[in-house]
Amino acid sequence: AQSVTQPDIHITVSEGASLELRCNYSYGATPYLFWYVQSPGQGLQLLLKYFSGDTLVQGIKGFEAEFKRSQSSFNLRKPSVHWSDAAEYFCAVGSTDSWGKFQFGAGTQVVVTP
Amino acid sequence: DVKVTQSSRYLVKRTGEKVFLECVQDMDHENMFWYRQDPGLGLRLIYFSYDVKMKEKGDIPEGYSVSREKKERFSLILESASTNQTSMYLCASSKRGGLLLETQYFGPGTRLLVL
Repeated sequence: AQSVTQPDIHITVSEGASLELRCNYSYGATPYLFWYVQSPGQGLQLLLKYFSGDTLVQGIKGFEAEFKRSQSSFNLRKPSVHWSDAAEYFCAVGSTDSWGKFQFGAGTQVVVTP
Repeated sequence: DVKVTQSSRYLVKRTGEKVFLECVQDMDHENMFWYRQDPGLGLRLIYFSYDVKMKEKGDIPEGYSVSREKKERFSLILESASTNQTSMYLCASSKRGGLLLETQYFGPGTRLLVL
């Protein structure tokens, strides 16, 4: 069965500093990987996704993620965070044999300090 | 833009009540999903539907049922609400792509408190 691990429950970062959120997955075949963001009181918004091809994917709001098959990872990065990036971030994995179902990680809460 | 709406942002119910959570999407998506979100547990799939009148159990279906009579609407039903069903409930939809896997679009969520 597929699974997703986000090792960091909570990360604090200064505004303007870089951010990296970790995501590790477990799946036998080629995974389909997603990062979502949830701002306070909001639903989830898609940041980016990886299906195939170039292992570095660009998303919205200046985020990017890199798929590393050898490490079973799909880490999310942003070079310079803004106060508005304070939110909860979820990594998700799907597969073509799962009827469109996703498995979500537990989430990483990001706090941005001045 | 895809729009997924949920009937209530906040609900307070009493133990034993029957609770209906409604979700509507306007993009003609085949797939619809119900999740619950709890701190430290992320999102867990309760039920999903890949077509009208079709439903499949997710990871935590116990205590819940669903109904999909129309393509755009997917209802989650708590037959007899219990305090351990206090949670945030999120609805999502996706189209059925060639690989059966497409981006899921989420509603704003319903925060349910069962007293």
